[in-house]
Amino acid sequence: DAKTTQPNSMESNEEEPVHLPCNHSTISGTDYIHWYRQLPSQGPEYVIHGLTSNVNNRMASLAIAEDRKSSTLILHRATLRDAAVYYCILIRFGNEKLTFGTGTRLTIIP
Amino acid sequence: DAGVIQSPRHEVTEMGQEVTLRCKPISGHDYLFWYRQTMMRGLELLIYFNNNVPIDDSGMPEDRFSAKMPNASFSTLKIQPSEPRDSAVYFCASSYNRGQGEETQYFGPGTRLLVL
Repeated sequence: DAKTTQPNSMESNEEEPVHLPCNHSTISGTDYIHWYRQLPSQGPEYVIHGLTSNVNNRMASLAIAEDRKSSTLILHRATLRDAAVYYCILIRFGNEKLTFGTGTRLTIIP
Repeated sequence: DAGVIQSPRHEVTEMGQEVTLRCKPISGHDYLFWYRQTMMRGLELLIYFNNNVPIDDSGMPEDRFSAKMPNASFSTLKIQPSEPRDSAVYFCASSYNRGQGEETQYFGPGTRLLVL
């Protein structure tokens, strides 16, 4: 499976936008880009996913580079409740498995 | 829906004892996953089922671990005998497979296991 690379940690001020990067230079054409997050003492939760086009939902936006070798999760207005570990995961068409890396630990500064 | 339900939420046991973790997936979901999370190894997939049939158990650490899914609404992960290195948070997750790579997994709150 193609691997992803994320910064270990990031900080952001409350009520500011946050851009969480993910590199996946070996992505294949059938790999979907998924983002999950894990709040403290909770199980992971789905955030967003996409294939080629940028995606928006109520939680976040996903910007995918034209060559698909990188993507960025955008939290438009971070709150303290967004403090979590964010995982960028590639899922191949027909594969149900999630392989978690180390993710990015996001700290929100009040 | 109540989401994925796991029990117990916390378990403290002594080395050598049998431990059984339980999971109730979301109704209608046809995939069930068991994960383990530790500080050293992060989140690891142990085993997953499709329509109650184990599909991939390559992540199961050793023969002391076993998992079953007797029906669509219940699964167990058993450790016998338990060892201190089994101490971790165990998560169960379920999903509905549309066969397109877009499936979302829904995780339970986890069972925090401490083996003394």
